[in-house]
Amino acid sequence: QVQLQESGPGLVKPSQTLSLTCTVSGDSISTGLYYWSWIRQHPGKGLEWIGYISNSGHTYYNPSLKSRITISADTSKNQFSLRLNSVTAADTAVYYCAKGYNPLDYWGRGTLVTVSS
Amino acid sequence: QSVLTQPPSASGTPGQRVTISCSGSNSNIGRNAVNWYQQLPGTAPKRLIYDNTQRPSGVPDRFSGSKSGTSASLAISGLESEDEADYYCSTWDDSLNVVVFGGGTKLTVL
Repeated sequence: QVQLQESGPGLVKPSQTLSLTCTVSGDSISTGLYYWSWIRQHPGKGLEWIGYISNSGHTYYNPSLKSRITISADTSKNQFSLRLNSVTAADTAVYYCAKGYNPLDYWGRGTLVTVSS
Repeated sequence: QSVLTQPPSASGTPGQRVTISCSGSNSNIGRNAVNWYQQLPGTAPKRLIYDNTQRPSGVPDRFSGSKSGTSASLAISGLESEDEADYYCSTWDDSLNVVVFGGGTKLTVL
């Protein structure tokens, strides 16, 4: 059974960089034809897909966030990461990592990131 | 404003059958498979239906999905109190080149 766990700071200051890591167990992020996604959910709101990284390292980002996003992977640790630059209060959300992108097959529990000074 | 349109709320009594609609366009539902996610209170979303009609192992057959043209539906039969959750439809949009979601439907079991 695939399990994903997000980790990272719960509080980020405005204009700084949000950095999160997703640790995957029960599967390898570097094998098979799979994608690994980040999704966020603003408080009390719906879901927004951020982007993915493939098993071969190919990335694709939501055009609305593309200029501020980097998704990378550390295959030795079976982890993939999200960096979101120049954050504002509008980036306050629960951030989820997941296997796949359409569909999103397995999800992490999510981590709340608050942007505040 | 979500790309896919869902009713914000739905309700039913135990044992009833309820349906949740998801309306899109030719660039998303009209061309791509629809997926449904269930988000129980305080938890992460979980894949409920994929490829329009497929249920992952472990999902009861009370849940079923369908698609016609640019719309899709999730049906829940034999409603149970544990089905009270938010439900989201999702697919790929060929014009926006992004995964899109509906705004979510909050299901209340009366």
